[in-house]
Amino acid sequence: GAVVSQHPSWVICKSGTSVKIECRSLDFQATTMFWYRQFPKQSLMLMATSNEGSKATYEQGVEKDKFLINHASLTLSTLTVTSAHPEDSSFYICSARYHGGRNQPQHFGDGTRLSIL
Amino acid sequence: AQTVTQSQPEMSVQEAETVTLSCTYDTSESDYYLFWYKQPPSRQMILVIRQEAYKQQNATENRFSVNFQKAAKSFSLKISDSQLGDAAMYFCAFGGATNKLIFGTGTLLAVQP
Repeated sequence: GAVVSQHPSWVICKSGTSVKIECRSLDFQATTMFWYRQFPKQSLMLMATSNEGSKATYEQGVEKDKFLINHASLTLSTLTVTSAHPEDSSFYICSARYHGGRNQPQHFGDGTRLSIL
Repeated sequence: AQTVTQSQPEMSVQEAETVTLSCTYDTSESDYYLFWYKQPPSRQMILVIRQEAYKQQNATENRFSVNFQKAAKSFSLKISDSQLGDAAMYFCAFGGATNKLIFGTGTLLAVQP
């Protein structure tokens, strides 16, 4: 149980295009989903917290207009990197948590490697 | 603000031996949760073990166990009978009232055959 699917796993695109990453909880309902960014050999940096049916809460320094997050259902959240540039190249990971609060662990997707040319 | 510190950037252990990864944290909260996550080269984040702060008993999951010292704000991970598949980056994480996870900087564990 507690499977989170993230798609695509790797994407390469030209500078200026927009990229959408999907995060799905396959066998449970996720009231809350989280989006992280990870640079090589570094820890995970939380970008935003996504709650179903409401606007995402972004961490300080994360551009809301650059990283659009939608959490339209209890099993799907999407991250859209708009007008992507080479500096947006990174590893993006989503996680989902059971309804029930912070005592529940976060379950992670396999991540998306984004390369902007 | 909560902080999580992993003071060992890299560790090495011989196969079948035991290794302990350290983690300390700072918080003023009394009700929180602590986690260890493993990230192998595939970069998938895998939950290894979790501990509720209100529980005095240390959590155990097969070969993985923790030494939770609440007063000292310490949460170390012990891996017994180390296996080659244990080689990975290990992250300690704090979950408190904000509903977010605060991660440490990670410890890269190498397992020598």
